[in-house]
Amino acid sequence: NAGVTQTPKFQVLKTGQSMTLQCAQDMNHNSMYWYRQDPGMGLRLIYYSASEGTTDKGEVPNGYNVSRLNKREFSLRLESAAPSQTSVYFCASRIQKSYNSPLHFGNGTRLTVT
Amino acid sequence: DAKTTQPNSMESNEEEPVHLPCNHSTISGTDYIHWYRQLPSQGPEYVIHGLTSNVNNRMASLAIAEDRKSSTLILHRATLRDAAVYYCILYSGNTGKLIFGQGTTLQVKP
Repeated sequence: NAGVTQTPKFQVLKTGQSMTLQCAQDMNHNSMYWYRQDPGMGLRLIYYSASEGTTDKGEVPNGYNVSRLNKREFSLRLESAAPSQTSVYFCASRIQKSYNSPLHFGNGTRLTVT
Repeated sequence: DAKTTQPNSMESNEEEPVHLPCNHSTISGTDYIHWYRQLPSQGPEYVIHGLTSNVNNRMASLAIAEDRKSSTLILHRATLRDAAVYYCILYSGNTGKLIFGQGTTLQVKP
């Protein structure tokens, strides 16, 4: 089992460019999440998908869109990147139906927007 | 969303117990208390969780106050590998969201 896989690991964009961060999990989890982490800060929730076919905004959704492609995959899109979106992006998944299930995180995508 | 308050940083000596506090005075009756930690340059990893009763696992213990307005993560014998940022999080089954706070940076001295 690979767990939660994020691609790419590193990316540099110019202001105004677009890109999609990919996330896939092989644990048959229902819920998936996208967080961002700025230097020296905690994680902030961007979007989440409680189950296949649903998505909801988190704390900081502006400038992002998401797609829950299927149960395994949850992508995050930046339509027009801005320097303020320079951050480390983490994808996570869990079994929604159980209160006892922990979040499983990927290793992150380090994005720099110049 | 109910929020948590943690000290910004704590220090401990190696092989001594560490008590990491968390205040969550606005916790609701259905909120579970989760703890995660984040090692440098890695994604967070799950440590422990609980609802009302104290909990133990191989990594740590979780002590929950009787009124549930605070909790304490206990590392029984700190090692250098326990140096990390520890996050106390309230999970609301109603919304499905897990909101991370600032966390506590734990330094372990040899």
